[in-house]
Amino acid sequence: QVQLVQSGAEVKKPGASVKVSCKASGYSFTDYYMHWVRQAPGQGLEWMGIINPRSGSTSYSQKFQGRVSMTRDTSTSTVYMELSSLRSEDTAVYYCARDPGYMSPFNWFDPWGQGTLVTVSS
Amino acid sequence: DIVMTQSPDSLAVSLGERATINCKSSQSILYSSNNKNHLAWYQQKPGQPPKVIIYWASTRQSGVPDRFSGSGSATDFTLTISSLQAEDVAVYYCQQYYSTPWTFGQGTKVEIK
Repeated sequence: QVQLVQSGAEVKKPGASVKVSCKASGYSFTDYYMHWVRQAPGQGLEWMGIINPRSGSTSYSQKFQGRVSMTRDTSTSTVYMELSSLRSEDTAVYYCARDPGYMSPFNWFDPWGQGTLVTVSS
Repeated sequence: DIVMTQSPDSLAVSLGERATINCKSSQSILYSSNNKNHLAWYQQKPGQPPKVIIYWASTRQSGVPDRFSGSGSATDFTLTISSLQAEDVAVYYCQQYYSTPWTFGQGTKVEIK
């Protein structure tokens, strides 16, 4: 079955960077786009960006432009999301989520990874 | 950006009663080339990631009970739980996937009265 397994919780200081991984299994990794979404404590869902695992091309939310980088490693079927210049407002659960459309990014998100809590605190 | 606005923010419904959640988009998300509404509904239970329950505004995801239904078109959409069960307590989000950036409603918390 399609499964996305994310890396463990992180605690970072303001100004630092964090890199979260998302390992995919159960399908052809390069055939489906991957999104990143975050959720601050008690808040709603916020889309951060998308990566095409085949080409590596990305598109980011304007809010995170210049601070976020999404990459992939096709040899391990893993996508990464790195967020830099962390501040307290970046404390959130970060999710990867697959677009279920074959080679087509404009669809719903299914499935989602289990989430990675990133805490930014001095 | 397309703004998604849900109402109400929360609702309490008795077991077995109907729950209705509304979602309004700031512009039409009906795509003319496929005549489909690019809208999904997600259910999120505490401590879990969201799970899609409805896509294309009215198509139920495999395995989702038929008490969940979606309706609407263009800018106005509704998620209905026909007979609320205890396991339906969750936060529900609508999402548009018509254009980037993908955007979500603020969420509606459903509780038992």
